[in-house]
Amino acid sequence: ETGVTQTPRHLVMGMTNKKSLKCEQHLGHNAMYWYKQSAKKPLELMFVYSLEERVENNSVPSRFSPECPNSSHLFLHLHTLQPEDSALYLCASSQDRTGVGNTIYFGEGSWLTVV
Amino acid sequence: AQKITQTQPGMFVQEKEAVTLDCTYDTSDPSYGLFWYKQPSSGEMIFLIYQGSYDQQNATEGRYSLNFQKARKSANLVISASQLGDSAMYFCAMREAIDSNYQLIWGAGTKLIIKP
Repeated sequence: ETGVTQTPRHLVMGMTNKKSLKCEQHLGHNAMYWYKQSAKKPLELMFVYSLEERVENNSVPSRFSPECPNSSHLFLHLHTLQPEDSALYLCASSQDRTGVGNTIYFGEGSWLTVV
Repeated sequence: AQKITQTQPGMFVQEKEAVTLDCTYDTSDPSYGLFWYKQPSSGEMIFLIYQGSYDQQNATEGRYSLNFQKARKSANLVISASQLGDSAMYFCAMREAIDSNYQLIWGAGTKLIIKP
């Protein structure tokens, strides 16, 4: 059983829809992350939360809206997406945000297709 | 300049043989961490092994070991006795502190296919 769970695993949405991706970590970590992985591109860091506070937003369009209600849960709210937003979205967590040895643990990912 | 370089886009290996996946990195920081992850076609990114820049010994985790050659800035992953389930993408990543930002920098990955 993975320490980081994501739902849904697969999502197909229209460009006018509003949907959310959910992530839950069972590792007692203080930092949580959203990453985007598009075909043929390296992993892109989208958002970082540390102790429920957003500490990084890497120029992500406002149609992606993260929410971290507590240290165990992270959401990514999606609205008016574009077809180029179709990708694998990976949630992750780590004990803390700092430190070179801080291992990041990932969930199984949510495959998003925008039609 | 590429911070993390994985020179093998794809590899085919016979089952039960050992595999070496290459990774070279570039940093001027004396303190850094090196990570290897496995990503099967299902999508999950699975942490395999970690090597710290100050670690004296090469890291090992079961069938995985890291051949750390600091002077050559090389951190190759070695998988002993490969299995069909090892078929996946493998990513090398480095974490260093840049202005107190500890972002993980990723390589492009190597696609490993184990042949029966």
